[in-house]
Amino acid sequence: EVQLVESGGGWVQPGGSLRLSCAASGLTFSNYAMNWVRQAPGKGLEWVSTIGSTGGTYYADSVKGRFNISRDNSRNTLSLQMNSLRVDDTAIYYCAKSTRIDYWGQGTLVTVSS
Amino acid sequence: QLVLTQSPSASASLGASVKLTCTLSSGHSSYAIAWHQQQPEKGPRFLMKINSDGSHNKGDGIHDRFSGSSSGAERYLTISSLQSEDEADYYCQAWGTGIQVFGGGTKLTVL
Repeated sequence: EVQLVESGGGWVQPGGSLRLSCAASGLTFSNYAMNWVRQAPGKGLEWVSTIGSTGGTYYADSVKGRFNISRDNSRNTLSLQMNSLRVDDTAIYYCAKSTRIDYWGQGTLVTVSS
Repeated sequence: QLVLTQSPSASASLGASVKLTCTLSSGHSSYAIAWHQQQPEKGPRFLMKINSDGSHNKGDGIHDRFSGSSSGAERYLTISSLQSEDEADYYCQAWGTGIQVFGGGTKLTVL
């Protein structure tokens, strides 16, 4: 059974940094693209970033230059380094498997507030 | 530009059927999409992928009450024999090289 478990969320002041992690199990992690998707309070789903199985990275315009996605295939872990955080980055961040998303994590809440 | 359009809301009675629509933007009518369900206070769950020819592949454990179809630039999710637990937000998703797009979501109310 595929499981994705996010961690690392919390409260941070505007301009601060936070690193999210996603621990994957039940799959051959290195074979799949992985994504971060977020959902602001009361809003819809918004794609944040994707990392391909061979390491290519892609970002939404709203986070380009501030966020960095990475993966450690030896530890089956996906990460998202978030810098220069803004109030409008406040959201639940979900880890999701594959380009055509077929599994989701339970999410981790990031609150950016002074 | 790849854009997905969904009606913000839909409603149907308990035991009835409902058909939700996701419309692909001009020039993207050949794209496959995925449907995801988000029940209140829960994370999203993958329901199915729908191809442009209407063929679809469901996620693990998705009930037969959920089915998909396609016509032109429209992709449909039909839920039959509506249950109270089907009350949720439904999102469609499409993807291209280096980009993922979500529709705005349809809030389904089961009356």
